[in-house]
Amino acid sequence: AIRMTQSPSSLSATTGDRVTITCRASQGISSYLAWYQQKPGKAPKLLIYAASILQSGVPSRFSGSGSGTDFTLTISCLQSEDFATYYCQQYSGYSWTFGQGTKVEIK
Amino acid sequence: EVQLLESGGGLVQPGYSLRLSCAASGFTFSRYAMSWVRQAPGKGLEWVSSISGSDGTTYYADSVKGRFTISRDNSKNTLSLQMNSLGGDDTAVYYCARGFSEFCSTTSCYPFDYWGRGTLVTVSS
Repeated sequence: AIRMTQSPSSLSATTGDRVTITCRASQGISSYLAWYQQKPGKAPKLLIYAASILQSGVPSRFSGSGSGTDFTLTISCLQSEDFATYYCQQYSGYSWTFGQGTKVEIK
Repeated sequence: EVQLLESGGGLVQPGYSLRLSCAASGFTFSRYAMSWVRQAPGKGLEWVSSISGSDGTTYYADSVKGRFTISRDNSKNTLSLQMNSLGGDDTAVYYCARGFSEFCSTTSCYPFDYWGRGTLVTVSS
């Protein structure tokens, strides 16, 4: 099974900061990678798919990049509503794997 | 508006069974693959199972293979998950999620673009 490793596991930031989260796959997954945002008590929300395509309705301050094994989610100017946990997910082959999550907290 | 509403969760004893359902609305159900994803209390997301839109192809995580069965009724816009031989590790919120497409291709499957609110399954004596 493909393993997904996110870093960091958590980070503290303030509104307006530029935030970067990385995700590494244990083997190449081309661009079959998605990013999700989850707030406490809520279902996950799809932000980005195919590594860099913004889901409809998602603010443009979110961006994704990478291919193969190394991927990045960037929030260019952190807003108050962005404090949440973020997960990467690979969908290469016939199984799906999530990273362990990165919690973005208020500094 | 796409809506997914899970039901069937609750408290169940170890070794027993439970059946979850997900009622879908707001889209042509048969044209989309569907999945179950779970989240243990305080933990991350774990994919459980997926089913294609119309040909019935199913996929399972190793942790549930042989114990869980995913199915769908396209005439009733309903997704189900039959869970047998439940153990404490199965305690989680179970989410129903829509796949971005109907099928997996030869090289990849799909992300999940809409999610339900989840239903809590607690396995305990």
